[in-house]
Amino acid sequence: ETGVTQSPTHLIKTRGQQVTLRCSSQSGHNTVSWYQQALGQGPQFIFQYYREEENGRGNFPPRFSGLQFPNYSSELNVNALELDDSALYLCASSFRQGPDTQYFGPGTRLTVL
Amino acid sequence: AQSVAQPEDQVNVAEGNPLTVKCTYSVSGNPYLFWYVQYPNRGLQFLLKYITGDNLVKGSYGFEAEFNKSQTSFHLKKPSALVSDSALYFCAVRDGGRSNYQLIWGAGTKLIIKP
Repeated sequence: ETGVTQSPTHLIKTRGQQVTLRCSSQSGHNTVSWYQQALGQGPQFIFQYYREEENGRGNFPPRFSGLQFPNYSSELNVNALELDDSALYLCASSFRQGPDTQYFGPGTRLTVL
Repeated sequence: AQSVAQPEDQVNVAEGNPLTVKCTYSVSGNPYLFWYVQYPNRGLQFLLKYITGDNLVKGSYGFEAEFNKSQTSFHLKKPSALVSDSALYFCAVRDGGRSNYQLIWGAGTKLIIKP
């Protein structure tokens, strides 16, 4: 196991609702990246946080937002949920120095009805 | 633009035989290349990475990968497959010359090892 934890494990929401997903980094890691993985596809980069600031963002609309806290844990918030937001959301932590290896949590399975 | 291609959706190998999972990439700078494995309903597990140096990289569970700069490839290999190697394998790349630490991922290759 990587030491990266995510909560909740599963979540069911309806269209238009808002959701918050949480991630605790591996000890010693200062960077968190969030990915969306649709069924049968590779992960898609949402954004990355380093020392509480967003450091790079993928092709996701502003209704996807995040936070990183002083202890380097993180939240992913999604507003105005759409059916296509149904996916596995993965959090990865790393130590941002050089070619940092990202270590993943088990993911949160979000279903939007 | 950065990209990763995994040309095979699925690879079938008999237990005990060697396996190869293919990956090609495109980045503008020096590539940092990674392989991850995903078991059903689980997160991604890191297998190995290439940053610089020896083109043959050894990783977890007996896997290794060969970096070929001229062919822009980073194929994953194992000399003798186990049934427990059956899983979904992802190749990822990052441009080592960029400050954006985003990983670009392939679509994944399903590896099936038959007894």
